[in-house]
Amino acid sequence: DADVTQTPRNRITKTGKRIMLECSQTKGHDRMYWYRQDPGLGLQLIYYSFDVKDINKGEISDGYSVSRQAQAKFSLSLESAIPNQTALYFCATSDSRQSSNQPQHFGDGTRLSIL
Amino acid sequence: KQEVTQIPAALSVPEGENLVLNCSFTDSAIYNLQWFRQDPGKGLTSLLLIQSSQREQTSGRLNASLDKSSGRSTLYIAASQPGDSATYLCVVRNPGANNLFFGTGTRLTVIP
Repeated sequence: DADVTQTPRNRITKTGKRIMLECSQTKGHDRMYWYRQDPGLGLQLIYYSFDVKDINKGEISDGYSVSRQAQAKFSLSLESAIPNQTALYFCATSDSRQSSNQPQHFGDGTRLSIL
Repeated sequence: KQEVTQIPAALSVPEGENLVLNCSFTDSAIYNLQWFRQDPGKGLTSLLLIQSSQREQTSGRLNASLDKSSGRSTLYIAASQPGDSATYLCVVRNPGANNLFFGTGTRLTVIP
């Protein structure tokens, strides 16, 4: 079983719809992150969380919201989806207690297409 | 702001060749640097993590080096195999947990 699981893996929806992407982890890590990947732009940080109910904006948070109600789960919402939010979305985790360098562990990604 | 550049964007080599992927970054005050591979339709797999105090890390046929003063890292792959075909990402972490900067990747194709 994957340590970091993202659902759904693929989603096609229409402009204006509300969408939620889920991320769950079995690694027991305290920190979780949401990124989006666009062709030619690499990965960009949307939001991150250091602990339950802790929420911090990343570099491209506009149009997104997140929720961290449990340590193992970090959900990303698009309240009113628009076509330029079409991208590949990644969830990641890290453990602040493991070491000072805290490598990040990634899920398999969610491919989101907004028509 | 940290900028991470990977050159070339794409690389094709025949099987068995040794190869080097390059990563450069503009701010040398990094916390660590991590190399990932990304396979189509799949997530990111961590390959090597180099701490800021280290110069290199090795895992099997992979060797990653770090030269902070020149803002460069290389990923050396020995005796390449078709299974090495993937996109390789260089990721730099600055001090501060949210400051993670990703390169755009190098797409590697190893031809049988």
